[in-house]
Amino acid sequence: QSALTQPPSASGSPGQSVTISCTGTSSDVGGYNYVSWYQQHPGKAPKLMIYEVSKRPSGVPDRFSGSKSGNTASLTVSGLQAEDEADYYCSSYAGSTYVFGTGTKVTVL
Amino acid sequence: EVQLVESGGGLVQPGGSLRLSCAASGFTFSGSWMSWVRQAPGKGLEWVANIKPDGSDKYYVDSVKGRFTISRDNAKNSLYLQMNSLRAEDTALYYCARTYSHCWDPWGQGTLVTVSS
Repeated sequence: QSALTQPPSASGSPGQSVTISCTGTSSDVGGYNYVSWYQQHPGKAPKLMIYEVSKRPSGVPDRFSGSKSGNTASLTVSGLQAEDEADYYCSSYAGSTYVFGTGTKVTVL
Repeated sequence: EVQLVESGGGLVQPGGSLRLSCAASGFTFSGSWMSWVRQAPGKGLEWVANIKPDGSDKYYVDSVKGRFTISRDNAKNSLYLQMNSLRAEDTALYYCARTYSHCWDPWGQGTLVTVSS
């Protein structure tokens, strides 16, 4: 399967919002409500931020939200904070297999 | 506290084999799907394989089918990845992760596999 498409970079000032897109096909993102998002700081393991398109695990701030429309999912980070600067990856179930996004580096200006 | 600790990585020649292990604690391992996900140096994430709680079903990314085998020992709370016929493109940090609702949480710290002559 091909990787899901994400913008290479996104940025915003503290307090602003940033939205990251994740585009797939009807065989993955569009076909299932199993899109998840991961935050990865340099040298660290990924951390689950959103699952099942829009659900937040316990402990994840409500500044993080997810949505989906057709074959494109989105992650929005509201009220940007310095610690939100990281790489973000989306992922989707694709029917017994999984595909990740290309990754987006979020910079807090 | 849920914890996953990988081990077994190292330097191996092309065509060689390696067995990765992941020790789990803090959750009901025998009731959890488990996965391996890898990340080549400076690159993105790639799902490698996952296994059903009782070990009866296993799924793999196409690029490792026939070369890698995922397995588990629920009595030892351990997950394994047997990697044979290794290639340079298998060089990566390999993470194990608990899998639920088609997502991965938490992740271990990873073990580095380098395939080079």
